[in-house]
Amino acid sequence: DAGVTQSPTHLIKTRGQHVTLRCSPISGHKSVSWYQQVLGQGPQFIFQYYEKEERGRGNFPDRFSARQFPNYSSELNVNALLLGDSALYLCASSLVDRKNSYEQYFGPGTRLTVT
Amino acid sequence: RKEVEQDPGPFNVPEGATVAFNCTYSNSASQSFFWYRQDCRKEPKLLMSVYSSGNEDGRFTAQLNRASQYISLLIRDSKLSDSATYLCVVGPNTGFQKLVFGTGTRLLVSP
Repeated sequence: DAGVTQSPTHLIKTRGQHVTLRCSPISGHKSVSWYQQVLGQGPQFIFQYYEKEERGRGNFPDRFSARQFPNYSSELNVNALLLGDSALYLCASSLVDRKNSYEQYFGPGTRLTVT
Repeated sequence: RKEVEQDPGPFNVPEGATVAFNCTYSNSASQSFFWYRQDCRKEPKLLMSVYSSGNEDGRFTAQLNRASQYISLLIRDSKLSDSATYLCVVGPNTGFQKLVFGTGTRLLVSP
């Protein structure tokens, strides 16, 4: 079975632009979470989606938004990019729907550089 | 105070050594605990979940001390391939969880 997939792998954008990142979870997983990881830090939680509904939001500005589709894939959108948005954006999927299924599995990430 | 604190290291150990990492967490309501491994410029990979009774997977042993709010990871007989950053992760006892990551502890295993 394929793991979590993300696209694109790398992206270079200019300040003020908009970006859309995509994620497909492991087959059978219904929850997708998004994290931002800057160099030297652990991943920071941005959003969690389950069954197309937002179930959790981290401390990020409204420029960040996301959605989940009926096939459980997800998009993360960031508007008005700032230099500080440069980071590795990670998507993680999890089962959620039964006990002991809280483990999250990460995709390879999208490395975003804002110039 | 950070929600999850780890010693950033690096821990430099020779092959075959035993090394232990500790991690403390501030939210006493936390109920799920994990160790992830992250190689340079790669995604975190789940190493093991940490249960109240402690658990072992081959050369790796994880323990949880709820009273003191710390989690440990012990690696025995270190291999060169164990060189990586080890992330301590804490979350609530629901499937809808904000996982909180520590900044990671870097391990370097040398020949």
